[in-house]
Amino acid sequence: ETGVTQTPRHLVMGMTNKKSLKCEQHLGHNAMYWYKQSAKKPLELMFVYNFKEQTENNSVPSRFSPECPNSSHLFLHLHTLQPEDSALYLCASSQDSLTDTQYFGPGTRLTVL
Amino acid sequence: QQPVQSPQAVILREGEDAVINCSSSKALYSVHWYRQKHGEAPVFLMILLKGGEQKGHEKISASFNEKKQQSSLYLTASQLSYSGTYFCGTEKRNSGYALNFGKGTSLLVTP
Repeated sequence: ETGVTQTPRHLVMGMTNKKSLKCEQHLGHNAMYWYKQSAKKPLELMFVYNFKEQTENNSVPSRFSPECPNSSHLFLHLHTLQPEDSALYLCASSQDSLTDTQYFGPGTRLTVL
Repeated sequence: QQPVQSPQAVILREGEDAVINCSSSKALYSVHWYRQKHGEAPVFLMILLKGGEQKGHEKISASFNEKKQQSSLYLTASQLSYSGTYFCGTEKRNSGYALNFGKGTSLLVTP
């Protein structure tokens, strides 16, 4: 399945670094999502973008900053992260809303040193 | 707000049936089911909407009891490919979108 792609697939960064995760969907969808999946926690929905507008951020810390320049691209800008932010970050898209089928990308495995 | 899944883990022989439950303490708008294999991204299985509409595309069935705020996923005649971790996500529709996931049920199907 190559409908949703994510880069990079792996990222190691220090706490003072600034990096960005990229997600691109080729499915013509209007909604895109960022999820965080940690080893010992349930899947967490971080951000929802619908028609390029953010509709939900679920109280995510400000060191995570999303950007959605168009309905096909989604970024997650990272700065001054903590070791506990190490996780698998998944991007997903759906046609219009959360009640449509979501298609996930392969994820970015992030390690914060 | 996190839904509770049961059982936490189950081991089946190929061809056997299984039921995975997902319960919430809050009124729900929809319930989502996903399966994730080790090292892979989650794959959508099914969405059940308040009012009875069901969306899905695999040979797996599910129920949604709105009064009990509970959903069950039914895996019949299990195949080896069914192995993985099953997550339910529950959605409330208040002032925005919120999707909360359970901790997952690990399913292993053996030959």
